[in-house]
Amino acid sequence: DQQVKQNSPSLSVQEGRISILNCDYTNSMFDYFLWYKKYPAEGPTFLISISSIKDKNEDGRFTVFLNKSAKHLSLHIVPSQPGDSAVYFCAARVSGYALNFGKGTSLLVTP
Amino acid sequence: DAGVTQSPTHLIKTRGQQVTLRCSPKSGHDTVSWYQQALGQGPQFIFQYYEEEERQRGNFPDRFSGHQFPNYSSELNVNALLLGDSALYLCASSFLGTIGPGELFFGEGSRLTVL
Repeated sequence: DQQVKQNSPSLSVQEGRISILNCDYTNSMFDYFLWYKKYPAEGPTFLISISSIKDKNEDGRFTVFLNKSAKHLSLHIVPSQPGDSAVYFCAARVSGYALNFGKGTSLLVTP
Repeated sequence: DAGVTQSPTHLIKTRGQQVTLRCSPKSGHDTVSWYQQALGQGPQFIFQYYEEEERQRGNFPDRFSGHQFPNYSSELNVNALLLGDSALYLCASSFLGTIGPGELFFGEGSRLTVL
């Protein structure tokens, strides 16, 4: 069963605009949520995380929002740049070791 | 400082064969995790090794086994290969003492094709 869901396989955004990537989860025991970015032929790279006790975390152009009541989190990228074009994975962890990943959303930022 | 390195990068096997994939963790890391990423899917956790022992295991059959060596490097072995084992196998390393889960570094993966 998929505990972390990314329902949008792809997203296209114009350069300079905001990109919003969404993620839903089912397990209320998750204590950390993360976003990873993956370019073709490379491994995923860590982007930003948020603890379950917070509702927002910001790092430069990237902000992650967590809505625990809705079991929903989102990643905002402002402003979007062509170099942001990649597959973005939402992941979550129950206190311990393994990450549960969503299927990913392919972001294309067009000039 | 070398990151996580995996070998081989690509390989082709036939059904029923066995395969061994290798991983060297990032310098300073003592824990290695393996993930399987099938086409169009997110990475799925296989297992994690620390101090040469398996600490946690995902929902994978016993055909999947692993090993960690004293220098922290690791191997993933898959026996009796099935067509469905075709995937990108990702190795990730971390330092057990890290509190936050963000300090997980992935290699570029080994692309396995089973014919």
